[in-house]
Amino acid sequence: KAGVTQTPRYLIKTRGQQVTLSCSPISGHRSVSWYQQTPGQGLQFLFEYFSETQRNKGNFPGRFSGRQFSNSRSEMNVSTLELGDSALYLCASSLGPPGLAGGSYTGELFFGEGSRLTVL
Amino acid sequence: LAKTTQPISMDSYEGQEVNITCSHNNIATNDYITWYQQFPSQGPRFIIQGYKTKVTNEVASLFIPADRKSSTLSLPRVSLSDTAVYYCLVGVGTGRRALTFGSGTRLQVQP
Repeated sequence: KAGVTQTPRYLIKTRGQQVTLSCSPISGHRSVSWYQQTPGQGLQFLFEYFSETQRNKGNFPGRFSGRQFSNSRSEMNVSTLELGDSALYLCASSLGPPGLAGGSYTGELFFGEGSRLTVL
Repeated sequence: LAKTTQPISMDSYEGQEVNITCSHNNIATNDYITWYQQFPSQGPRFIIQGYKTKVTNEVASLFIPADRKSSTLSLPRVSLSDTAVYYCLVGVGTGRRALTFGSGTRLQVQP
């Protein structure tokens, strides 16, 4: 079974530009969540999608947005990039919120390798 | 959101047992506690998950006291390959998906 795929793996942008990152979850997984990882702040939750609906959002400015498609693939977008947006962006998939995955609980998150964004 | 606190770093030697504790004072009734391992340039990987008391799998044990305000990940007989960052995650609970990772504990295993 293929794992979580994130593209691109590496990218360099300049301040003021915008960027779109893509995440393809494990087949059958309907929940996708996004995280920003920086040396100083650790793993910060951005948002989570389930069945094309944003179910939860972390404490990030509106420049950070995302969406999920009917095939569960997800994209996140960062507009008006700032130097501080340089980070590793991780995507994770799971079967779905507990209680909805056929009645059985599973909260295990499966992470991709991440997209490393450098803003110059 | 349940805030978590972990030690920043720990050192150990091969063959020793390592215990990493995570504090989560504001854990909610429905929240589970999950631990992840992360190697450089890789995404975190699931280690173990529990709700209360003790959970054990082939790689680790998780101890959760009755008040659930903390949890301890126990790694028996660590090896060099266990050198990684370990994260505590709280909040993957029924009907609630507030996902708060701890700051992570960097474990360095020496020969």
